[in-house]
Amino acid sequence: IAGITQAPTSQILAAGRRMTLRCTQDMRHNAMYWYRQDLGLGLRLIHYSNTAGTTGKGEVPDGYSVSRANTDDFPLTLASAVPSQTSVYFCASSDSGANVLTFGAGSRLTVL
Amino acid sequence: GQNIDQPTEMTATEGAIVQINCTYQTSGFNGLFWYQQHAGEAPTFLSYNVLDGLEEKGRFSSFLSRSKGYSYLLLKELQMKDSASYLCAVMDSNYQLIWGAGTKLIIKP
Repeated sequence: IAGITQAPTSQILAAGRRMTLRCTQDMRHNAMYWYRQDLGLGLRLIHYSNTAGTTGKGEVPDGYSVSRANTDDFPLTLASAVPSQTSVYFCASSDSGANVLTFGAGSRLTVL
Repeated sequence: GQNIDQPTEMTATEGAIVQINCTYQTSGFNGLFWYQQHAGEAPTFLSYNVLDGLEEKGRFSSFLSRSKGYSYLLLKELQMKDSASYLCAVMDSNYQLIWGAGTKLIIKP
């Protein structure tokens, strides 16, 4: 089934630990994004990538890093997790020239 | 700053019509989007408006007035499955999406 796969679905993490959220798409979309969604707030962009090999910072990039080694994969890494990074994380992608986003099912992260 | 405003929660009755409003103040405008998000699931695309006027798609319609910085999503013949959050998002002059916090729509029998 074409779409975006995120892993893990849910994770509880101790503060200070390193964590990588995985995102893979099979639609050959050029652009990929990481958002966080918190209660009462709109989706906030963490990092994005317009094409393989390039990445950019979004609205809330601090404490997060990404890489885009190929078209399909866009992992998000928390180098040293803090409780304020407790959130639901969505990976999304879009085709070149198109503005519509396709989202993954989300990863719920709790940092204690 | 950039801002998207939409009501936090609305309640409507099955079979009725509901209008969800969205007002925005952004640096430039390159289109307005509506997404639907069921609880615990991913947002899914509903509509896109870049010109003024009404876009109809089945039971859902979306309206845009760029001069007023205003849009609404109109849902007709409400069904229980329409219970979800509806997210308004505007693409600014840098082609970045600015998201509203979403409107939780509760449908009652």
